[in-house]
Amino acid sequence: GQQLNQSPQSMFIQEGEDVSMNCTSSSIFNTWLWYKQDPGEGPVLLIALYKAGELTSNGRLTAQFGITRKDSFLNISASIPSDVGIYFCAGQGAQKLVFGQGTRLTINP
Amino acid sequence: GAGVSQSPSNKVTEKGKDVELRCDPISGHTALYWYRQSLGQGLEFLIYFQGNSAPDKSGLPSDRFSAERTGGSVSTLTIQRTQQEDSAVYLCASSLYGTALGYTFGSGTRLTVV
Repeated sequence: GQQLNQSPQSMFIQEGEDVSMNCTSSSIFNTWLWYKQDPGEGPVLLIALYKAGELTSNGRLTAQFGITRKDSFLNISASIPSDVGIYFCAGQGAQKLVFGQGTRLTINP
Repeated sequence: GAGVSQSPSNKVTEKGKDVELRCDPISGHTALYWYRQSLGQGLEFLIYFQGNSAPDKSGLPSDRFSAERTGGSVSTLTIQRTQQEDSAVYLCASSLYGTALGYTFGSGTRLTVV
């Protein structure tokens, strides 16, 4: 079946540092999404990407949809403590989302 | 309601017992999804309901798992004869017409099988 490979699996950074994570797939997706999950909560949508090559920003977050439609990255600039959580990439498959394994972000103050 | 509501939030059960997990989607959302999140893993698709269409059950891991959606609203995920490997967070999401943008997740039910 379709799988998304997300890396790194975990990150330990200092507050104020920039963060970069990426996601690759063996299949083409027409829509890529990035979600964040806080402890004890469900994932919340951060950014949605619809066109190959598209670069989209949402505050300190920037995400790009790869030209091949098989990859995407998410950058977080100037990290703050509330950025802690698990970040998931997801590809829009047939009627449902396929998720990556997640990147757990830990920030040292 | 304003969001997707799941109950219970936590469930501890003995191995071999049956459990029922409930999801109350956002009013008017026609699509409902169940995902499973095991410790340190991503979200694994279980089942998808869209309106009155036959559900997509392709992600259910075994015949011990079943789900129903009554009246196009509330859904119940049932796990029979629970095993320790069933321990996970079970997440429900709903969306309007099944679009990715409208995917709203509940807070999940944390199931622990002892």
